[in-house]
Amino acid sequence: NAGVTQTPKFQVLKTGQSMTLQCAQDMNHNSMYWYRQDPGMGLRLIYYSASEGTTDKGEVPNGYNVSRLNKREFSLRLESAAPSQTSVYFCASSFRAGASDEQFFGPGTRLTVL
Amino acid sequence: GQQVMQIPQYQHVQEGEDFTTYCNSSTTLSNIQWYKQRPGGHPVFLIQLVKSGEVKKQKRLTFQFGEAKKNSSLHITATQTTDVGTYFCAGWWYGNKLVFGAGTILRVKS
Repeated sequence: NAGVTQTPKFQVLKTGQSMTLQCAQDMNHNSMYWYRQDPGMGLRLIYYSASEGTTDKGEVPNGYNVSRLNKREFSLRLESAAPSQTSVYFCASSFRAGASDEQFFGPGTRLTVL
Repeated sequence: GQQVMQIPQYQHVQEGEDFTTYCNSSTTLSNIQWYKQRPGGHPVFLIQLVKSGEVKKQKRLTFQFGEAKKNSSLHITATQTTDVGTYFCAGWWYGNKLVFGAGTILRVKS
């Protein structure tokens, strides 16, 4: 089992460009999450999907959109990248929604917006 | 929204010294989780505490949940270079989403 995989690992964008971060899990988990990690600010939830077909905003959703393509895949899209979106992005999954199951994280995408 | 405060932000210790990081919430938590992130890596789940006053041990790591379920701590005895990384607590309130603290960065001098 690969666990949670993310692509790409690194990306440099210019302001205004768009891109999609991909995430997939092979653990048959129901819930998936997108976080961003900035120095001194921990992990902040961008969007999450409690189950296939549902998505909800987290703490910092502005400037992002998500798609829960199927049970395995959850993508994060930046429509018009801004320097403030320079960050490390982690996808995570857990078995149940609305419960405190442990979360399994992917390796992250390091994004720089110039 | 719900918040979890974590201190210290950064700690640099000599190998063999002990280390403690603390988490506090202004409201009663349902439970709390702890994660470790190695430099350049991703967060990895360590443990979950659920009961008031709970204490759990994993080798040199001791995790405590306060009696009021508003605070928690992670204590590492006799740190080793393999302990370096960032330690996060994450609070959970029933029906809500996990909320992460800002993390404590641990550096160990050998």
